[in-house]
Amino acid sequence: DAGITQSPRHKVTETGTPVTLRCHQTENHRYMYWYRQDPGHGLRLIHYSYGVKDTDKGEVSDGYSVSRSKTEDFLLTLESATSSQTSVYFCAISESKAGPPNYGYTFGSGTRLTVV
Amino acid sequence: DAKTTQPTSMDCAEGRAANLPCNHSTISGNEYVYWYRQIHSQGPQYIIHGLKNNETNEMASLIITEDRKSSTLILPHATLRDTAVYYCIARLSSGSARQLTFGSGTQLTVLP
Repeated sequence: DAGITQSPRHKVTETGTPVTLRCHQTENHRYMYWYRQDPGHGLRLIHYSYGVKDTDKGEVSDGYSVSRSKTEDFLLTLESATSSQTSVYFCAISESKAGPPNYGYTFGSGTRLTVV
Repeated sequence: DAKTTQPTSMDCAEGRAANLPCNHSTISGNEYVYWYRQIHSQGPQYIIHGLKNNETNEMASLIITEDRKSSTLILPHATLRDTAVYYCIARLSSGSARQLTFGSGTQLTVLP
């Protein structure tokens, strides 16, 4: 979706290195989310944000941290990457600040991360 | 959020209507029914949502039973590009950063 961009699209990294994934939105949405998707587990929430500098943990937050210093950017950091964090990561946004509520979530195209 | 139950997989002939069922027998009065789909390797895509009344948009129709314990997503003229995993989710609408909880969904395969 043009209003939400994830970078990088693909990344291969070594075990133990820090990795940061970026989610950028141009929709002025209030809430932002990071999910991971693995075979057999579906989509699982890692962290989410309900505003600048306001974040909270999801169901699989261990080993991850997030930051949101601007409305448009939500960063996901793997502090010390492990092979179990090999996954596809999706960012999502919801709730436009302007106009009527947007009830639907918009997802990014995903980042495929491989930890070797 | 109420639990939803969907069939694991369904097939549909191209050009025919695809009817995807969802059971949500424990849904509360203020929970909406949302439908998303995920085409292979892409992010999930919002399709439609409803509370009580049937809803229609450019993508699909949503039929909710009077007791709200089940619903059906209808793709009126399925195409090969509608092959995807379809997720039915029951949740409150807006006003909080409530996560979407995805189940296993229904794998819809549209056959030529």
